[in-house]
Amino acid sequence: EVQLVESGGGLVQPGRSLRLSCSASGFTFDDYPMHWVRQAPGKGLEWVSGISWNSGTIGYAASVKGRFTISRDNAQKSLSLQMNSLRLEDSAIYYCVKEGQFLSAYFFDYWGQGTRVTVSS
Amino acid sequence: ETVLTQSPATLSVSPGESATVSCRASQSVKSNVAWYQQKPAQAPRLLIYAASTRAPGIPVRFSGSGSGTEFTLTISSLQSEDFAIYYCQHYNNWPSFTFGQGTILDMK
Repeated sequence: EVQLVESGGGLVQPGRSLRLSCSASGFTFDDYPMHWVRQAPGKGLEWVSGISWNSGTIGYAASVKGRFTISRDNAQKSLSLQMNSLRLEDSAIYYCVKEGQFLSAYFFDYWGQGTRVTVSS
Repeated sequence: ETVLTQSPATLSVSPGESATVSCRASQSVKSNVAWYQQKPAQAPRLLIYAASTRAPGIPVRFSGSGSGTEFTLTISSLQSEDFAIYYCQHYNNWPSFTFGQGTILDMK
């Protein structure tokens, strides 16, 4: 059974940093790209960042580029998101997500339960 | 970047009836659209990928169709557990992904 378990969320002041982690099990972690998706309170889903299986390709949403850094440790089957210079608008539930692929279609086939980040003074 | 626009924003349907959610892409995305269901206080769940392929374990009353710029998610014979928010999704230049703004399906 695929499991994705996020940790590291919490309350943080604007301008400070936070590091999210995701522990994966139930699948061959280093075979798949991984992503972070967030959802602000009462809002829709927003893709934040993605990383290829070997960390060779990384991407960020424009809203977090230059402030957030995604990384993975295939030996530990873990995904991380280092979030610096946090803003009020970064407050959200952050989901760790496994990517699936079928032919030329890419999608998110497994989601963690999410970790809540609240940025407030 | 491709923008996905869902309609309607809210859909009120009675149990047992059918519901159709639309997703329009700002440019052709071939068949590369997925659909997700999200219930309150839960993570989203994959329903459909590649426009029309049901994910494992998804009931047959969920179906997807479309290609190019127009896509639909149809839920036939609505059950009480189907009332939720639905999102469409596409990838732009990998690894960048985009979601529609969501459609609330509520009980009439």
